[in-house]
Amino acid sequence: AQSVTQLGSHVSVSEGALVLLRCNYSSSVPPYLFWYVQYPNQGLQLLLKYTTGATLVKGINGFEAEFKKSETSFHLTKPSAHMSDAAEYFCAVSDTAAGNKLTFGGGTRVLVKP
Amino acid sequence: DTAVSQTPKYLVTQMGNDKSIKCEQNLGHDTMYWYKQDSKKFLKIMFSYNNKELIINETVPNRFSPKSPDKAHLNLHINSLELGDSAVYFCASSQRANTEAFFGQGTRLTVV
Repeated sequence: AQSVTQLGSHVSVSEGALVLLRCNYSSSVPPYLFWYVQYPNQGLQLLLKYTTGATLVKGINGFEAEFKKSETSFHLTKPSAHMSDAAEYFCAVSDTAAGNKLTFGGGTRVLVKP
Repeated sequence: DTAVSQTPKYLVTQMGNDKSIKCEQNLGHDTMYWYKQDSKKFLKIMFSYNNKELIINETVPNRFSPKSPDKAHLNLHINSLELGDSAVYFCASSQRANTEAFFGQGTRLTVV
């Protein structure tokens, strides 16, 4: 069975500061990994994904994440936080052998202080 | 040009009622899903259909019944609603060979 752990249910950053959201996964097969963002009262929007190839992946809105197999991690970063980054962020792993179902972490709420 | 659309967006109903949530995708995807997000924001898959065939059925009460009339539609019918069914239900779709899932805006179900 696959699982995802997001360290920190809440993260507070100052505008312009580094955003770092931590994600560790467990998977018995090579993982496909995703970060989604959820703005209040909205659906989930894909930020970025890792399937194969380059381990540093770039996504929308200046976010990027690095897949580290040895650490079973897929941490999300953004060099400079913007007020519009305030949202809930979810890390997920896909089980391609079971209908592509996504297993999500518990989410991290990001608060951006002016 | 909404990719994955759900109706209704909000649903308030009494315990014991039966209700349905509809989902449609115009992305040409062959796989559709229902996810449930609880009050603590935890997301968990409920069902998945591929080309109208049920391929994932997680541990969900049999009061929940998905129906896929064609590969662009996946509806969720809930019988005998209970307080604990209150949640946000998300529909999603993907192409089986491509694991990226696109989500709808969600349906906030409140059972009173």
